[in-house]
Amino acid sequence: DTEVTQTPKHLVMGMTNKKSLKCEQHMGHRAMYWYKQKAKKPPELMFVYSYEKLSINESVPSRFSPECPNSSLLNLHLHALQPEDSALYLCASSQDKGGSRNTEAFFGQGTRLTVV
Amino acid sequence: AQKITQTQPGMFVQEKEAVTLDCTYDTSDPSYGLFWYKQPSSGEMIFLIYQGSYDQQNATEGRYSLNFQKARKSANLVISASQLGDSAMYFCAMREGRGTYKYIFGTGTRLKVLA
Repeated sequence: DTEVTQTPKHLVMGMTNKKSLKCEQHMGHRAMYWYKQKAKKPPELMFVYSYEKLSINESVPSRFSPECPNSSLLNLHLHALQPEDSALYLCASSQDKGGSRNTEAFFGQGTRLTVV
Repeated sequence: AQKITQTQPGMFVQEKEAVTLDCTYDTSDPSYGLFWYKQPSSGEMIFLIYQGSYDQQNATEGRYSLNFQKARKSANLVISASQLGDSAMYFCAMREGRGTYKYIFGTGTRLKVLA
């Protein structure tokens, strides 16, 4: 199983709503990532979890709150978003540093978020 | 600071022809990895090929090969025998080898394969 599964695939939310994006992988990867991708732009790193601990926060606004309940799951809690937060949110996972040499990141299909 | 540069916003190639997508990178870390991903309109990032900074030979994966020129800090992707299904956005990415991994992406090249 080399899949990263993201739900939901599409999400429309109002600026006062609270919602969560979910990501799951069963490849035994100990690093998990959230990326944000605007149209016609490359993915931008938001957060990295390593061994279920937040390792990197790329100065992301606090209205985005990540959570890693266990080694297979990664959530992104959304609250009081702005229309400019509308984007494709991609989850990824990869081997930890002690793993195989081919440390490619595996990506999910993403959640297309629209903030209205 | 690391940086990935893809200078070709868009490329066209005839079906069954080969095409080269350019990528240059900048890092001071001696240990790094270079990756190419394909992103169709559906949005998923599909891993294509990997090159490690210490690898002596260029990576190949089926119709994909990576022309790695370490001294020039370039890692160009070559797609042979292009197919219509190859039409997509292609991203070059780099991962540094120390501590927690970060994957940083170039701006991408949109490839269109013509019938």
